[in-house]
Amino acid sequence: KAGVTQTPRYLIKTRGQQVTLSCSPISGHRSVSWYQQTPGQGLQFLFEYFSETQRNKGNFPGRFSGRQFSNSRSEMNVSTLELGDSALYLCASSSGQLNSPLHFGNGTRLTVT
Amino acid sequence: AQKVTQAQTEISVVEKEDVTLDCVYETRDTTYYLFWYKQPPSGELVFLIRRNSFDEQNEISGRYSWNFQKSTSSFNFTITASQVVDSAVYFCALTGSSNTGKLIFGQGTTLQVKP
Repeated sequence: KAGVTQTPRYLIKTRGQQVTLSCSPISGHRSVSWYQQTPGQGLQFLFEYFSETQRNKGNFPGRFSGRQFSNSRSEMNVSTLELGDSALYLCASSSGQLNSPLHFGNGTRLTVT
Repeated sequence: AQKVTQAQTEISVVEKEDVTLDCVYETRDTTYYLFWYKQPPSGELVFLIRRNSFDEQNEISGRYSWNFQKSTSSFNFTITASQVVDSAVYFCALTGSSNTGKLIFGQGTTLQVKP
């Protein structure tokens, strides 16, 4: 069974630009969650999508948004990039059942200059 | 509020030594779940174990074992006879009974196993 796939692996953007990250979950998984990982703040939850609906949301500004498609693939968008948005963005999928384990992808390394 | 504390930032051991990674959590939920994940240099978080708050039985899986103690709000992870391939960052995480997809992570412990 293929794992969680995130594209691209690396991105370099300039302040003020916007970026879209993609995540393909494990086949059969209906829940996709997004996390931001930085050296200072560690791993922080962004949001979770289940059956194309946002089911849970973390404490991030509205510049961070996401969506999920009917095939469970998900995208995350960050608008008006700031230097502090430089991070590893991790996507995780699960069956969506309460507290089922999350299975993570390799992440997208975003650098904002 | 929920919180996970991994007080050990970095641990360095020599191969074949046993090592214990500490995890202390805070939650007001009576039902909650605890997890351990491993993050090798490739970046992917690898799921190791899940434990619910009603199951205090310790678990052993090969060289890995976990000690869950509600009385001290701890969920410690021991690697027996460590190997170089165990070198990674290890995260302890917590979620409540109603939080799907949302894990509260500790800051992680970087384990270096030297040959």
